[in-house]
Amino acid sequence: GDSVTQMEGPVTLSEEAFLTINCTYTATGYPSLFWYVQYPGEGLQLLLKATKADDKGSNKGFEATYRKETTSFHLEKGSVQVSDSAVYFCALSRDNAGNMLTFGGGTRLMVKP
Amino acid sequence: SQTIHQWPATLVQPVGSPLSLECTVEGTSNPNLYWYRQAAGRGLQLLFYSVGIGQISSEVPQNLSASRPQDRQFILSSKKLLLSDSGFYLCAWLPSGQPKNTEAFFGQGTRLTVV
Repeated sequence: GDSVTQMEGPVTLSEEAFLTINCTYTATGYPSLFWYVQYPGEGLQLLLKATKADDKGSNKGFEATYRKETTSFHLEKGSVQVSDSAVYFCALSRDNAGNMLTFGGGTRLMVKP
Repeated sequence: SQTIHQWPATLVQPVGSPLSLECTVEGTSNPNLYWYRQAAGRGLQLLFYSVGIGQISSEVPQNLSASRPQDRQFILSSKKLLLSDSGFYLCAWLPSGQPKNTEAFFGQGTRLTVV
């Protein structure tokens, strides 16, 4: 079945540091890939997405590139802020009856001033 | 615009008691609806999804059940809670008939603690 694997957290960085959160997936066909973010006490919201190989999703300074050859979708940001502290979830979706998302385990990011 | 409501936000229940969590969506019709659980230290696990009234698909065997009595209402229930049912429950929706790259929208979640 489908699966998504993320690096375990927590990841603790100082403000303005470079961020990478690794994500790899297993799925048949050509899934769409997503990063969702969960700020403290809130539900999830979409951060960025990519639909096909070599697509780059970007939003709020975050980027991720759909790499089919390595089945990866790593999240990066050049300079993190305290406000980026949250839990980040990598996810995939394939064409199926329910269009449901398969999530990774989530990675907690803590940014210190 | 579309909104999703989920309640209650926090719940503490004794072992063996029943459970009912409700989720409603406004501003859309015939959405796909989902219940996810986020257990402590673990990722998001899909519990149930529904593509229409009365249509429920279960992804994992468990102590829980789901129902969709109305088009935009999705209910998660249990007759007798277990300690292992503790976690953060999230309701989500997607517009039906859309491509796989469509964004899903999540409720604020319910933190359930079974004591």
